[in-house]
Amino acid sequence: EAQVTQNPRYLITVTGKKLTVTCSQNMNHEYMSWYRQDPGLGLRQIYYSMNVEATDKGDVPEGYKVSRKEKRNFPLILESPSPNQTSLYFCASSSRGGMNTEAFFGQGTRLTVV
Amino acid sequence: QQQVKQSPQSLIVQKGGISIINCAYENTAFDYFPWYQQFPGKGPALLIAIRPDVSEKKEGRFTISFNKSAKQFSLHIMDSQPGDSATYFCAASWNDKIIFGKGTRLHILP
Repeated sequence: EAQVTQNPRYLITVTGKKLTVTCSQNMNHEYMSWYRQDPGLGLRQIYYSMNVEATDKGDVPEGYKVSRKEKRNFPLILESPSPNQTSLYFCASSSRGGMNTEAFFGQGTRLTVV
Repeated sequence: QQQVKQSPQSLIVQKGGISIINCAYENTAFDYFPWYQQFPGKGPALLIAIRPDVSEKKEGRFTISFNKSAKQFSLHIMDSQPGDSATYFCAASWNDKIIFGKGTRLHILP
């Protein structure tokens, strides 16, 4: 089954404690991206990757890092989380053409930073 | 110029009625306009999409109307059903960039 898998689904952490949210896709997609979803603000792109070792900033990259060492994985790293990063996070992947083709989203990770 | 403005924020429609959600954009470089549907606890999923060379696309009860000159596009859900209750996002993209609208929470009354 084609899917994008995020882990964990839920996470509560404390301010400043580094964390990683993993994302993996099994569709051999080149393009992967991370979004945060906040009430009233919709989906905002954090980072995206066009292929292995190729990443770039989205609209809200501050406080986040990503890496793309393998095609299937695209982890999101919060080096020093702060309460304003409390949000619902989604990873997505799509085939060549970036976001001009269908994007497949993961189930989401609900992060709370206290 | 990078915004996609979506309205309304929330919408309540009687079962069997027509649900209409509108979006407007400014950047004429956008060349792909998808709509995503999101159920509670799930990630968004592509519902229907259109490219600017056509004015309308229909898939079952879902239709996108596209007005290139006005830089507007809309989603029409005919014969709306309680199972259509979800959050809907319009989006506009070009190359590796995509901008989402802020979403519309649709509730269909049984």
